[in-house]
Amino acid sequence: KAGVTQTPRYLIKTRGQQVTLSCSPISGHRSVSWYQQTPGQGLQFLFEYFSETQRNKGNFPGRFSGRQFSNSRSEMNVSTLELGDSALYLCASSPPPLSYEQYFGPGTRLTVT
Amino acid sequence: DAKTTQPPSMDCAEGRAANLPCNHSTISGNEYVYWYRQIHSQGPQYIIHGLKNNETNEMASLIITEDRKSSTLILPHATLRDTAVYYCIVRVPFPSGSARQLTFGSGTQLTVLP
Repeated sequence: KAGVTQTPRYLIKTRGQQVTLSCSPISGHRSVSWYQQTPGQGLQFLFEYFSETQRNKGNFPGRFSGRQFSNSRSEMNVSTLELGDSALYLCASSPPPLSYEQYFGPGTRLTVT
Repeated sequence: DAKTTQPPSMDCAEGRAANLPCNHSTISGNEYVYWYRQIHSQGPQYIIHGLKNNETNEMASLIITEDRKSSTLILPHATLRDTAVYYCIVRVPFPSGSARQLTFGSGTQLTVLP
């Protein structure tokens, strides 16, 4: 079974631009969570989607948004990029219904200059 | 989620067992112990989880003390590819309807030496 895939793997953007990251969960997984990881803050939860509905959101500004499609694929968008948004963005999927673990993708390395 | 304490770093010789400890003295009765690892610049990888019984899978063994206040992750025959940061997390599992968010502490940097 293929793992979680994320595209693109690397991205360089300029301050003020916006970016869209994509995540394809493992087949059959309906829950997708997004995380931001930086050396200083560690792993921080962004949001979780299940069956196209956002179920929970972390403490991030409204510039960070996401959505999930009917095939469980998910995208996250960051508008008006700031230098501090440079990070590794990770997507994780979980199997239904009672999931003891999350399976992470390789991440998208975003650099904002 | 209960707080966990892990040593910041450990070394292990290749081929030997790596024993990674974790203290979770405030764990509550319905909280599980999960272990993940993260190889440099890659996404975290689930390893194993347990409630109170010892658990083993193809990757590792998890030993939980009888009072559940600490646990040890054992990699039986460490290889260079096991060099990673290992995270111990204590929380309730993810029942339907709850957010599946994880919070990682600083973890233990395991370095497997040739």
